[in-house]
Order: sequence, then C-alpha cells, then structure tokens
Amino acid sequence: KNEVEQSPQNLTAQEGEFITINCSYSVGISALHWLQQHPGGGIVSLFMLSSGKKKHGRLIATINIQEKHSSLHITASHPRDSAVYICASPQGAQKLVFGQGTRLTINP
Amino acid sequence: NAGVTQTPKFRILKIGQSMTLQCAQDMNHNYMYWYRQDPGMGLKLIYYSVGAGITDKGEVPNGYNVSRSTTEDFPLRLELAAPSQTSVYFCASSYSGISYEQYFGPGTRLTVT
Repeated sequence: KNEVEQSPQNLTAQEGEFITINCSYSVGISALHWLQQHPGGGIVSLFMLSSGKKKHGRLIATINIQEKHSSLHITASHPRDSAVYICASPQGAQKLVFGQGTRLTINP
Repeated sequence: NAGVTQTPKFRILKIGQSMTLQCAQDMNHNYMYWYRQDPGMGLKLIYYSVGAGITDKGEVPNGYNVSRSTTEDFPLRLELAAPSQTSVYFCASSYSGISYEQYFGPGTRLTVT
C-alpha cells in the first residue's frame, strides 16, 4: 500500500522566508504531483515530476526517487503563498494517493 | 476554455434525498475523476472514467453512482444521502491518466442533515 506523508502539517513563517515542505511515499512511483489548494478551496496543479528538479517562478520542486522523498521550496515567500500544499503519488493504474496537506501561513 | 466546471457550489440535503453533482470539461480529456475531501484527510477517489462509456470504482464508491455518456460530462449521483456523505466533492480531468497534469473543478460543498 502506498502511503504519502507530508511534513510539517502546519507552517507559519514571516514574509521573505525560505519555505520547505516535505513529502515521503512508500512505493516506487512514475510521477509525483504537487498541488496548491487556495483558501477559497480551489485546487491547482503546481508540478508533476518523476526525477530531478522543476522550477516555476519562486517555487522549486525536487524529488529523490531512491529515497522516496520530494520537497517543495518557496523562495522569498509572500502572504499570497498562504495555502494548503498537497503532494500525491500514483498507486496502480488510475489512483492517486494524496497526502493530508501542509497548511502554510505567511505573515506580512 | 472554461476548464473543469462543477455545479452546484453548495447544497444541503436531508437524509434519504438524492441528487446529482454535475461536472463538465472542455479540454477533450479522456480521463475524469471524482474525489471527496473530508476535513483533515487527503482526497479520496470515488469513481473514475477513462473515456466515454467506461467507468470504474475508486476507493470509496459506496453510496455513489456515475455515468459517462460523453467525453465532456461526468455526473456523480448520490442515492439515499447519509450524513457520512457530508464532504467537499472535486471533479478532475487529465489528458491521459494520473501521470499527467490534473485539472480540478472548483468543488461542491455538500451537507447532509
């Protein structure tokens, strides 16, 4: 069974800080997803990666397949980055297993 | 493109009532999914479809039914609503399965009392 664990569950930081959110999964995967859930509830896909690193603006996602671990980093954090960040990994052909999410709050 | 749309946004049902949650996408995606999100829990897959006319159960299908008569639409039917079905429901689609970018609808918040 593929379990997905995120840490921390909650994170509060000051504007400008470097943020790291971690995701560990228990079985080998073809791709890992990072999603952002806005305070209003909508979910958007941030990254999908199967190796190495991806960067989009101030967001960077890395994955280590051997260690079954991925991280999401936010540089120069801003209050608008406040959201729940969710990682998800495939299990079988059509199922994504989701982590419980990390609630990030950035204070001005 | 509107992406993935869901209606209604909110609904309150009495125990035993039935309803259909609507989901539509205009990206010509074959793969569509229904998830539920309970407080403090990760999203759980209810049903999924790999194309028109093809549907299959996910992790938590009991109390729900789906149909997929067109590529665009993937409605979720709740029969005999129960308080345990109080949740936020998300519809999602992707080009070719779970190893591709997932596009989510805005969600439907359902309360069963």
